[in-house]
Amino acid sequence: DSGVTQTPKHLITATGQRVTLRCSPRSGDLSVYWYQQSLDQGLQFLIQYYNGEERAKGNILERFSAQQFPDLHSELNLSSLELGDSALYFCASSLGQGRGHIQYFGAGTRLSVL
Amino acid sequence: QQPVQSPQAVILREGEDAVINCSSSKALYSVHWYRQKHGEAPIFLMILLKGGEQKGHDKISASFNEKKQQSSLYLTASQLSYSGTYFCGTELTGNQFYFGTGTSLTVIP
Repeated sequence: DSGVTQTPKHLITATGQRVTLRCSPRSGDLSVYWYQQSLDQGLQFLIQYYNGEERAKGNILERFSAQQFPDLHSELNLSSLELGDSALYFCASSLGQGRGHIQYFGAGTRLSVL
Repeated sequence: QQPVQSPQAVILREGEDAVINCSSSKALYSVHWYRQKHGEAPIFLMILLKGGEQKGHDKISASFNEKKQQSSLYLTASQLSYSGTYFCGTELTGNQFYFGTGTSLTVIP
C-alpha cells in the first residue's frame, strides 16, 4: 500500500457528462501529480500541484481542470466527456517537488465513458 | 518530449539478464524507473539524479549518462516476479515529468 488514496476506483458515465476524481496524498507529502493511462499511450503527465499551487502542466486538455486544497487532497475534474477520455487515471504524491523526490502512486480510477 | 524506450518487449527465462534503455531529446534533471503489473499502480524502482546520486532498491541497478540524456536499467538473474511493464520517467526543467512508452518484460520458467 503506497499510502495514496484515490476514489472512486471505478466510474462509468456517458459522453458529455462531468466527473470528479479525488486523491489523498501520503501523509506529509506536499506534491500531487495526475496522470492518464490509455491502452496505447502509456502514462501521460497531466498536471502537478505543490502545497496548493499549480507547478507544472503537461498534456492536459482544456476540458480538464484540477486543484489542490488546503488539506492537500486534490481533485481532477473532467468535463464534456468523450469516448476517448476512457482511461485509468493515476494520482501520485511526493514529499517535495523537483529532482530526487520519489513519486508514490495510488491504485488509480478507471473511467469508462459510454 | 516523451522519452523513447527500447526494447518494446522482451521475454526472458528465469535467471537470465536484461537491459532496458531510455533516451530523451531534452536535458534531464533526473530519471525515474517504475514497474507496473497489469491494472495496478506503478511501483518505484530507482531514481538517478544529475550529478551521480542514486536512490533505489538494492537489487536493482541502473546508469544515467547525463551528456547523452540516456539511462539504462539492468535486471540480473531475473525472477518470475520481475514480469511487468517497465517505465522510465524523465524530469525536465519546470517540474515537467514524462514517462516513456514502456517495455513489457515477461519472465518464463
